[in-house]
This record gives sequence, structure tokens and C-alpha cells, in this order.
Amino acid sequence: ETGVTQTPRHLVMGMTNKKSLKCEQHLGHNAMYWYKQSAKKPLELMFVYSLEERVENNSVPSRFSPECPNSSHLFLHLHTLQPEDSALYLCASSQESTSGANVLTFGAGSRLTVL
Amino acid sequence: GQNIDQPTEMTATEGAIVQINCTYQTSGFNGLFWYQQHAGEAPTFLSYNVLDGLEEKGRFSSFLSRSKGYSYLLLKELQMKDSASYLCAVKDSNYQLIWGAGTKLIIKP
Repeated sequence: ETGVTQTPRHLVMGMTNKKSLKCEQHLGHNAMYWYKQSAKKPLELMFVYSLEERVENNSVPSRFSPECPNSSHLFLHLHTLQPEDSALYLCASSQESTSGANVLTFGAGSRLTVL
Repeated sequence: GQNIDQPTEMTATEGAIVQINCTYQTSGFNGLFWYQQHAGEAPTFLSYNVLDGLEEKGRFSSFLSRSKGYSYLLLKELQMKDSASYLCAVKDSNYQLIWGAGTKLIIKP
């Protein structure tokens, strides 16, 4: 496996379900991200783990809960979601440094549908 | 507030040249990125500009004018595989990435 791998690629869940999205990076990067991508809208940063410390976006509802057990793995736990949470959830990683571009490498995303 | 503007959709012909514009209003500037995203796939990095001028990389070039808050991505000798969305993003004074909504480029034979 190379790059950033996300599972599952597609997920359909009811509003009362609990599910998790998984992301794994094989690049040795020190930062990982969750983004939400909705049609015709800018990418929305949800959570950042940089050097294993979480940086939150305070506008993200508590029904989304991230977990980063180590620098290579990232989870997004989902609980009692709403239909408007249906979107593509992208994981990304980067090598954080004080200089340089800090280019993001993205996974292919998990397409979530909430019924 | 911070804002990135780019056209929603553009159409071009195979073999031609197309320019995708991006204008930004952000609190500070620490670099501008272009990413390409094919339908159902991951966004992939295309280019990074931090100084004014043109950066050329094969058929793709990216231009930046910091004084005008303006960038463009130039695609030459268009191929069908260039049909994709192109995302513009700016890193602000807090090193946070501000994203545009993306430009969907349709290439016709």
C-alpha cells in the first residue's frame, strides 16, 4: 500500500447508527486531516492532528469524533448523524515544517449517505 | 471574511489552451496551491506559488500576482484526461488553508 488509504469508500447509514471511517497513511508524514467535501462548496477542514495533537474546528458538531492512535492512523467516529452530513469525507496527510509548501496528500475519500 | 473565487465550470476543446482564474481575499498570504481532482478520486497536488511570476511544469503553468490577489492555472495542449475539477487554495497568515469551491473543466473532442 502506498499513499493515503481510506475505508470504506462508500457508506450508507441511518440517523441512529454508529459507524467509523478509517484512514491510513504510508508516507511517514507527521500531520493528518479530515475534510468534508460537499458539492459546489469549498473543502471544509474538520480536524487536524499535528504531531499527534488535535487542532479542532469549533464549528464541527459533536456527532463527529476523531481519533488518532498514532501518526499513521486516523479515524472519524460518526454518531446520530443528520441527512445534511451526507458528503465526501477526505483524509489527508502532510509533513509539517516551518518552511516549505507542506503539500497535502489526499485519500480517495469515503462517500457517506445518511438516510 | 476570507474568500477564494474561481469559476464554477469551464469548457474547452481538446488540443487547445485554457486559463482557470482564481482571486483571493485573505488575512495574509503564505502561498497559493492548485490541486486537480478527477471525479471520484483524491485531489492531487499540481503547483505551489509563493512569489510573483510564472511557474511552469510541463503542459501546466501557474501564475501569481500577490498585489492583485490573483492567480491562474494555464493548461496547454489539452487532453481528454484533463477533464477534472481544479481547486485553488491559499495559506493565510495563520498558515490555515482557505479553499475555493473548485472549477469543473470539461474537455470536448
